[in-house]
Amino acid sequence: KAGVTQTPRYLIKTRGQQVTLSCSPISGHRSVSWYQQTPGQGLQFLFEYFSETQRNKGNFPGRFSGRQFSNSRSEMNVSTLELGDSALYLCASSLAVENFYTFGSGTRLTVV
Amino acid sequence: AQSVTQLDSQVPVFEEAPVELRCNYSSSVSVYLFWYVQYPNQGLQLLLKYLSGSTLVKGINGFEAEFNKSQTSFHLRKPSVHISDTAEYFCAVSERRGGSYIPTFGRGTSLIVHP
Repeated sequence: KAGVTQTPRYLIKTRGQQVTLSCSPISGHRSVSWYQQTPGQGLQFLFEYFSETQRNKGNFPGRFSGRQFSNSRSEMNVSTLELGDSALYLCASSLAVENFYTFGSGTRLTVV
Repeated sequence: AQSVTQLDSQVPVFEEAPVELRCNYSSSVSVYLFWYVQYPNQGLQLLLKYLSGSTLVKGINGFEAEFNKSQTSFHLRKPSVHISDTAEYFCAVSERRGGSYIPTFGRGTSLIVHP
């Protein structure tokens, strides 16, 4: 079956702009989580959505937001981009009962 | 809050030698434990998981890990590594939070296999 699909793979944005990243989970997976990966901070949890509701949230400023649609696809948005937002953004999906996540290949965001 | 410590940031090893990547966690409740691998420019791939039962867990690509509750450790081992095992390895711990199990990741260990 198809894996977790993230689009786009690479993105370059300018400081102050906003960006939207997309994630299509594995068919049947209702839980979608987002992580930010940087060399300095490692993998940090952003938020988790389940059945269109944000169920958990990490310690990120309000510029980071997300949503989930009825087909479980998810988007995350970052407004007023800063240089420090440059990172690999990973999406992961899970069947509620399996308790482990399958990750996508990520979106590499570069802010210049 | 739980935390995960991967004791080595980098582990160099020669091909066909054994390797152990160390992971310790802090949690006072029952947890689930995972090892993921990340190849360059890719996402994370699940190597193995411990949910319950036998403390020795076998995963893909010949890796295995042992859960030691008294030492709160979950070290990853492979008896003979290949060049293709060169990658970043992440240990993760998850506990129940708001109806789900959100993994907390260690900082990663870079395994470098030399010919």
